[in-house]
Amino acid sequence: AQSVAQPEDQVNVAEGNPLTVKCTYSVSGNPYLFWYVQYPNRGLQFLLKYITGDNLVKGSYGFEAEFNKSQTSFHLKKPSALVSDSALYFCAVRDLDNYGQNFVFGPGTRLSVLP
Amino acid sequence: NAGVTQTPKFQVLKTGQSMTLQCAQDMNHEYMSWYRQDPGMGLRLIHYSVGAGITDQGEVPNGYNVSRSTTEDFPLRLLSAAPSQTSVYFCASSYSRTGGNTIYFGEGSWLTVV
Repeated sequence: AQSVAQPEDQVNVAEGNPLTVKCTYSVSGNPYLFWYVQYPNRGLQFLLKYITGDNLVKGSYGFEAEFNKSQTSFHLKKPSALVSDSALYFCAVRDLDNYGQNFVFGPGTRLSVLP
Repeated sequence: NAGVTQTPKFQVLKTGQSMTLQCAQDMNHEYMSWYRQDPGMGLRLIHYSVGAGITDQGEVPNGYNVSRSTTEDFPLRLLSAAPSQTSVYFCASSYSRTGGNTIYFGEGSWLTVV
């Protein structure tokens, strides 16, 4: 079965600085990787995904993610953080072996951008 | 654009009561699922459906039932609520099981069992 790890519960960054939210994965075949963001009392919103092709994926709100097959990582990045980026971020992988190819989510990383 | 619609948004239940969380999507997605979100545990799959008339269990199915009589609707039933079912519930849908398809979420249902 596929799995996802987010090694940091919390990431703090100053506004205007670059941010990175880390994600590592374990899959049995080609990975389908996703990032979602959750604002307080809201559902999860899709940010970006990696299916195949270019290792640098660009998504919504200026976010991008870098797929690294050798390190089995899919870190989320943004060149210049905004206070409004403060939220809970989830990395997910599509589980091709179980549950009808549903999604497996990491535990989430809370990002706080300080003014 | 309605997307995935969940009701109710908030609910308080007494132990032993039953209730149904409603979920509807207007995107003609064949794939629908229910997750629960608990602190530090991410989202865990409860039940899923790959099409009308077809449902199956996910990672944490005990205490929940589902049905899929139409493509649009996928209600989640709590049979006899327990405090351990206090959680935030999310319904989600996607176009198909093809690996690259994005999953879309409803706004969530906050359930407290006392």
